[in-house]
Amino acid sequence: KAGVTQTPRYLIKTRGQQVTLSCSPISGHRSVSWYQQTPGQGLQFLFEYFSETQRNKGNFPGRFSGRQFSNSRSEMNVSTLELGDSALYLCASSLGLVGYEQYFGPGTRLTVT
Amino acid sequence: EDKVVQSPLSLVVHEGDTVTLNCSYEVTNFRSLLWYKQEKKAPTFLFMLTSSGIEKKSGRLSSILDKKELFSILNITATQTGDSAIYLCAVDRETSYDKVIFGPGTSLSVIP
Repeated sequence: KAGVTQTPRYLIKTRGQQVTLSCSPISGHRSVSWYQQTPGQGLQFLFEYFSETQRNKGNFPGRFSGRQFSNSRSEMNVSTLELGDSALYLCASSLGLVGYEQYFGPGTRLTVT
Repeated sequence: EDKVVQSPLSLVVHEGDTVTLNCSYEVTNFRSLLWYKQEKKAPTFLFMLTSSGIEKKSGRLSSILDKKELFSILNITATQTGDSAIYLCAVDRETSYDKVIFGPGTSLSVIP
C-alpha cells in the first residue's frame, strides 16, 4: 500500500510570492490534515479536510488556505509569503475524522528568501 | 491558554536503559492523547489514548493516560540505538478550531 506522498519535496520562494503544495493520501483515506513544523514553534496544526470540506482549522492567518478534491487529494496554498513561513509542511491522512490513526507524508521543505 | 508540555526536552541514555517520557496538558475539550515518533522527517504514530488507566503496549513501548492528573507517560524498555528520535505528544480536541495541539517533543539519544 502506497504511503502519503507530498510534492514538491523542496521549494525555494521569494517574499511576497505564493506557493501551492500538494498531498496525495493513502488510498481509501478521506481525511487530510496539514501541519507546519518550525524549530521555534514546533509542530502546529493548520487545517483538516474531509469529503472536500474544511472541518477543522488551526490558529493561522487567512494567507494559509487549502482545498480537497473528490479523490481526497489536497492542496495547501500560502499567499504573500513571509520569511517566517519557512518551515517543513507535513500532510497526514486518515480513514476518518475521529479516532483514526494518522499517517504522515515526508513533508515539503519551504524556504522563503 | 491551551498547552501541552513535555519533559525532559532532551535525554541521553545508554543502550539497554529504560526511559520514561512525560507529557502533561492543559486543554479544553479533550478527546484523546497521541504519541508520535519522529526520525528525520515524517512522524510515525505510536499510541492513541482516550481512557485513563488503560496501558497500551507495542513491543518495548508502552503508554498510559491519567485524565484526572492530566498527564501521560511513554515508557521504552531495553532501549536500542534505533529508538533515537524526537517523541511528540499531542492532544486531539473536540473542537473545530485548533483541533490538535502538540508538545515541543523530547529528543532521545541512545548511545551504544
